[in-house]
Amino acid sequence: DAKTTQPNSMESNEEEPVHLPCNHSTISGTDYIHWYRQLPSQGPEYVIHGLTSNVNNRMASLAIAEDRKSSTLILHRATLRDAAVYYCILRDGSNSGYALNFGKGTSLLVTP
Amino acid sequence: ETGVTQTPRHLVMGMTNKKSLKCEQHLGHNAMYWYKQSAKKPLELMFVYNFKEQTENNSVPSRFSPECPNSSHLFLHLHTLQPEDSALYLCASSLPIGSGGATDTQYFGPGTRLTVL
Repeated sequence: DAKTTQPNSMESNEEEPVHLPCNHSTISGTDYIHWYRQLPSQGPEYVIHGLTSNVNNRMASLAIAEDRKSSTLILHRATLRDAAVYYCILRDGSNSGYALNFGKGTSLLVTP
Repeated sequence: ETGVTQTPRHLVMGMTNKKSLKCEQHLGHNAMYWYKQSAKKPLELMFVYNFKEQTENNSVPSRFSPECPNSSHLFLHLHTLQPEDSALYLCASSLPIGSGGATDTQYFGPGTRLTVL
């Protein structure tokens, strides 16, 4: 799977929007972009995924660059409960690859 | 609550002990996974089962022995572990492998925090 690059950590104020970037310059045309997050003392949880178009769900929005070499996870109003490690993961849609290749992710700190 | 439960949540064992980790999913999935998360390292895939058949063993030492008696239950049997095996062991489940491809979502349990003395 192609590699992703994320900042090690970011900080945000509560109730402010948060933009978490991910670079994936070697992405292939069949790679889906997935985001998971891991809250303290919990297992990872799915956040959102997309292929080419921007996506919205109840948790977040995913903005995908036109050349697909980068994407941004957007939390519209950060809460203290959003403090977690956020992982950007590419999954190849051309095969039934099942492994999630977690990198180090971005540790998000949310301050009151 | 993700629909995936793991027991015990914490386990301390000596190097000569034998113990088992249990995972149960209530989501109707047919694929189940074991991951290992060591301190300051990314999650590592250990084993994958699809319809009770093991489809992946990611070069895991034989002191870790998985068992999948049915699609809802997954065990990880541990024996003669080393201190470096201390980690968070996570179980996950998903739709059958290949059914959704790269859009599949994996649902994780809370993990078992294992300490080997």
